[in-house]
Amino acid sequence: GEDVEQSLFLSVREGDSSVINCTYTDSSSTYLYWYKQEPGAGLQLLTYIFSNMDMKQDQRLTVLLNKKDKHLSLRIADTQTGDSAIYFCAEGPHGQNFVFGPGTRLSVLP
Amino acid sequence: EAGVAQSPRYKIIEKRQSVAFWCNPISGHATLYWYQQILGQGPKLLIQFQNNGVVDDSQLPKDRFSAERLKGVDSTLKIQPAKLEDSAVYLCASSLRIRGVETQYFGPGTRLLVL
Repeated sequence: GEDVEQSLFLSVREGDSSVINCTYTDSSSTYLYWYKQEPGAGLQLLTYIFSNMDMKQDQRLTVLLNKKDKHLSLRIADTQTGDSAIYFCAEGPHGQNFVFGPGTRLSVLP
Repeated sequence: EAGVAQSPRYKIIEKRQSVAFWCNPISGHATLYWYQQILGQGPKLLIQFQNNGVVDDSQLPKDRFSAERLKGVDSTLKIQPAKLEDSAVYLCASSLRIRGVETQYFGPGTRLLVL
C-alpha cells in the first residue's frame, strides 16, 4: 500500500539551513508536495515537484527528489522563527487521493 | 479571494451523540475533500467529491460517517453516533488544477473532542 514516512522532529538555530526528509512508496506518484501547518490552522501548500524533476528551487526553499530511492527533501535556507511549524510531505494524486506523511515538527531556536 | 470556510471551529460532544460539520469551498473549485487529522498524524482522506459526485470514499467509516455535497458547492460531514476515537481535527479542502498540478487549499479545520 501507499505509505509516506518522515522523521517527527527537527531543531535548528535561526539563520541555519533546515533539511526535512521524506520517503514514499508509490513510484507512480505524479507530483510530490510539501505543506506547512501552523498551530490551529489548516495546511498551506509550500511547493511541489513533478516526478520527472530532480530539483526545484523557490526562493528560500529547495526540493530535491531521488526517484530511484523514493526520497524527497525540503531545504529551508536561512531558517527564521516564523518557519517553526509542522511540515508534511504528500504524494499524489494518483488514482484519486493524496497520501500525507505524519509531519515533521520544526523548531527554530533563537 | 476568500479561502475555504469551515464551521464550527470547535465542538465538544459526548460519545454516542451526533455531530455535523460544514464546509464552503473556494468558489469555482470543483473538487472537495474531507480529511481526518488525529493528533500527531498527517491528514487521512475520508471522502473526495468532484462537483456533487463521490470520487473516493474508500476510507470513510460508512457505518457512522456520512457526507454530502449539495449542488456541487457546500458540503456537510456527519458522524452518528460518535466514538471516543473520532476525536480529531476535520479538515476540508478544495482544489483547482493549475498547469496540470492539483493544488489543494485547506480550511482551518473543525476540532472535535468526544468525551
